[in-house]
Amino acid sequence: DAGVIQSPRHEVTEMGQEVTLRCKPISGHNSLFWYRQTMMRGLELLIYFNNNVPIDDSGMPEDRFSAKMPNASFSTLKIQPSEPRDSAVYFCASREFAGELFFGEGSRLTVL
Amino acid sequence: AQRVTQPEKLLSVFKGAPVELKCNYSYSGSPELFWYVQYSRQRLQLLLRHISRESIKGFTADLNKGETSFHLKKPFAQEEDSAMYYCALLTGTASKLTFGTGTRLQVTL
Repeated sequence: DAGVIQSPRHEVTEMGQEVTLRCKPISGHNSLFWYRQTMMRGLELLIYFNNNVPIDDSGMPEDRFSAKMPNASFSTLKIQPSEPRDSAVYFCASREFAGELFFGEGSRLTVL
Repeated sequence: AQRVTQPEKLLSVFKGAPVELKCNYSYSGSPELFWYVQYSRQRLQLLLRHISRESIKGFTADLNKGETSFHLKKPFAQEEDSAMYYCALLTGTASKLTFGTGTRLQVTL
């Protein structure tokens, strides 16, 4: 298995544009997490899914952020409209129930 | 609500010196704690978990429920230990994993 796969690895966009980040979890994993990493706040949990169902989205900053998991092998995190303060590294991670959490390599977002 | 606190953003030690990365947690239930490490330009990876009670790369961590702590220790720091370290708390039946803000360990000669 190639591990958790995220795309794009880097994204530079202008304020107001829509951003879509993608994640393919490890096959067989039933939980998927989206985290945001910044220097000031470290790793913040945005939302997580169990069996494709969103369980806790209390970490989503505001309505501009949305996440979906249409099936067990794909998830998206969308920001619309994007703002400079959204600049961060966004990590996707997956795990089996009670298993180790495996991270993707992250998507570095820069909003100008 | 659950919370993980890592009070130090940066810890700088000399090679061969002991290392202790602090982690305190707040949770009313029975905690399960982890340490994750992120080496330069690599993805986050699990270093150790308290239930396994093992030593990985010379690192150990003991859960102290009385002090609500899970400090990471190593008796002799190596250059290759330089990395970002995150303490994490697993809570709830839905297995929510909450991370601290991380501590950057810098090992110098």
